[in-house]
Amino acid sequence: LAKTTQPISMDSYEGQEVNITCSHNNIATNDYITWYQQFPSQGPRFIIQGYKTKVTNEVASLFIPADRKSSTLSLPRVSLSDTAVYYCLVRGGSTLGRLYFGRGTQLTVWP
Amino acid sequence: SAVISQKPSRDICQRGTSLTIQCQVDSQVTMMFWYRQQPGQSLTLIATANQGSEATYESGFVIDKFPISRPNLTFSTLTVSNMSPEDSSIYLCSVGQVKGADTQYFGPGTRLTVL
Repeated sequence: LAKTTQPISMDSYEGQEVNITCSHNNIATNDYITWYQQFPSQGPRFIIQGYKTKVTNEVASLFIPADRKSSTLSLPRVSLSDTAVYYCLVRGGSTLGRLYFGRGTQLTVWP
Repeated sequence: SAVISQKPSRDICQRGTSLTIQCQVDSQVTMMFWYRQQPGQSLTLIATANQGSEATYESGFVIDKFPISRPNLTFSTLTVSNMSPEDSSIYLCSVGQVKGADTQYFGPGTRLTVL
């Protein structure tokens, strides 16, 4: 199972773009990269998932280079409500649907 | 998507007692999971509870301490047995493969404090 490493914390201001990078050097061929968001006193919420190149949805974009050893979650024009913990996870056939969370990145957005 | 509820939302218990946490889903799902989140920490997977089979526990978790039931496709329980203060955590259930999607949906969690 590929271990993930991401910054413990990041700060930003409202309206800025935030990029959170995650490294997963031992990612396997059939693994996907998934990001979850967790607000205080709530369960995690799925944000985005990708395998390679770029994935975009209404919330975020996910950039994955060709070697797939890292990924970057991009949040455009953050607001105060984006203050949360963001988890990068690697999941694939070996995990059988299970999620193994790392430490996550505490993003704090300031006015 | 899936809507998940948990009961109780929080509880304060005495050491040595047991607490059963219920997880109810608004649709039939095959895969259910139980996690623990200790104060200020990340989530740790306790076990996988698929309907029709015994729960599969992760390393460090045993059935005697955390017995799980999965009587049907919309419901599961996790019991925290013979509790100690170290069991004080938030316990979350999640479901996977809702309508074939990879996304997991999490319940709101049960905040347990053991005195």
